[in-house]
Amino acid sequence: GDSVTQMEGPVTLSEEACLTINCTYTATGYPSLFWYVQYPGEGLQLLLKATKADDKGSNKGFEATYRKETTSFHLEKGSVQVSDSAVYFCALSTSYGKLTFGQGTILTVHP
Amino acid sequence: SAVISQKPSRDICQRGTSLTIQCQVDSQVTMMFWYRQQPGQSLTLIATANQGSEATYESGFVIDKFPISRPNLTFSTLTVSNMSPEDSSIYLCSVGGAVGGEQFFGPGTRLTVL
Repeated sequence: GDSVTQMEGPVTLSEEACLTINCTYTATGYPSLFWYVQYPGEGLQLLLKATKADDKGSNKGFEATYRKETTSFHLEKGSVQVSDSAVYFCALSTSYGKLTFGQGTILTVHP
Repeated sequence: SAVISQKPSRDICQRGTSLTIQCQVDSQVTMMFWYRQQPGQSLTLIATANQGSEATYESGFVIDKFPISRPNLTFSTLTVSNMSPEDSSIYLCSVGGAVGGEQFFGPGTRLTVL
């Protein structure tokens, strides 16, 4: 079945540091890939997406590239802020419309 | 994206009782889903709420425990029946059907069972 594996957390960084959260997937067919973010006390928000191989999703300074050859969709940001502290979830969607989530990565950014 | 609301936002319940969670969307949507997020865990799909027919449940979830209704294209309910402390979780509804496959989530219902 479909599955998503995320880098284990938690991740703690200083402000302006570079961020990479690894995500790999297993799926039949050609899934769409997503990063969702859950800020403290808030609901789940779509951060970015990519629907086909080599697509790059980007939003709020975050980027992720759909790599079919390595079945990966790593999340990157060049300079994190305290306000980026949240839980980040990698997810995939198949043609059936269901989302499969990774286990989530807690990011804490210190001033 | 659609605006999704859930009621209640949180509740504390006694074991053996049932709670019905409502999900309202501000526009008609083809696909609605219910997820569970146990403390410190990721999201797990409970079922797809089908308009006008029985919900489609994922492995490990059954209709007797989690009955779902979807009377129209903007509303769905999830009931957590005969609750135990293990049912303490955040329950989220989502809507889908976008071309890219993304879903948008409601704010969640935080349930604590004593």
